[in-house]
Amino acid sequence: GAVVSQHPSRVICKSGTSVKIECRSLDFQATTMFWYRQFPKQSLMLMATSNEGSKATYEQGVEKDKFLINHASLTLSTLTVTSAHPEDSSFYICSARATGSGYGYTFGSGTRLTVV
Amino acid sequence: LAKTTQPISMDSYEGQEVNITCSHNNIATNDYITWYQQFPSQGPRFIIQGYKTKVTNEVASLFIPADRKSSTLSLPRVSLSDTAVYYCLVGDHSGNTPLVFGKGTRLSVIA
Repeated sequence: GAVVSQHPSRVICKSGTSVKIECRSLDFQATTMFWYRQFPKQSLMLMATSNEGSKATYEQGVEKDKFLINHASLTLSTLTVTSAHPEDSSFYICSARATGSGYGYTFGSGTRLTVV
Repeated sequence: LAKTTQPISMDSYEGQEVNITCSHNNIATNDYITWYQQFPSQGPRFIIQGYKTKVTNEVASLFIPADRKSSTLSLPRVSLSDTAVYYCLVGDHSGNTPLVFGKGTRLSVIA
């Protein structure tokens, strides 16, 4: 089945630094990927849609200058949290769908970001 | 995008069948219904998808009435490892439009 690999699984960074999260489709090409954020005991909140070769589309309330998304190839999308602050601490998850897949959308295993 | 409504939580004993119903009154003609399972600190995992009537796979069944305004996920003989949050999502699932998650149902399986 379609596999999405997300890295790192956990990261701790100091306030004010930047963190990059990678999302790779391992056995399929993904022209579109999606980034979500999930706070404890809450549901997944869509942050942005990542499009290969073009600018990402951000949801209302998500700062595009703070959450930089790059989708430079058909198998890789990255999310960079710039100048991270403690309130950015969350669980970040990416997703994509393989064309013709009977398994719906595939999600990465998530990245737990802790900003100290 | 069609909005979904599910119970916030459910409890069940091991070995019982669990049925989780989801309402989606404004489902569109080309929308599919998909259920995902999420364990703590993991990404959601696909369980089952359907358009109408009944779908069954190795882990669950999905019942969809003729009007498609609701659906029921059925988990046979649950075990402790089925404790998770279950999300019902409705959409065209084309791969170009994102999935929008509701609050989900937190299932707790008790020994």
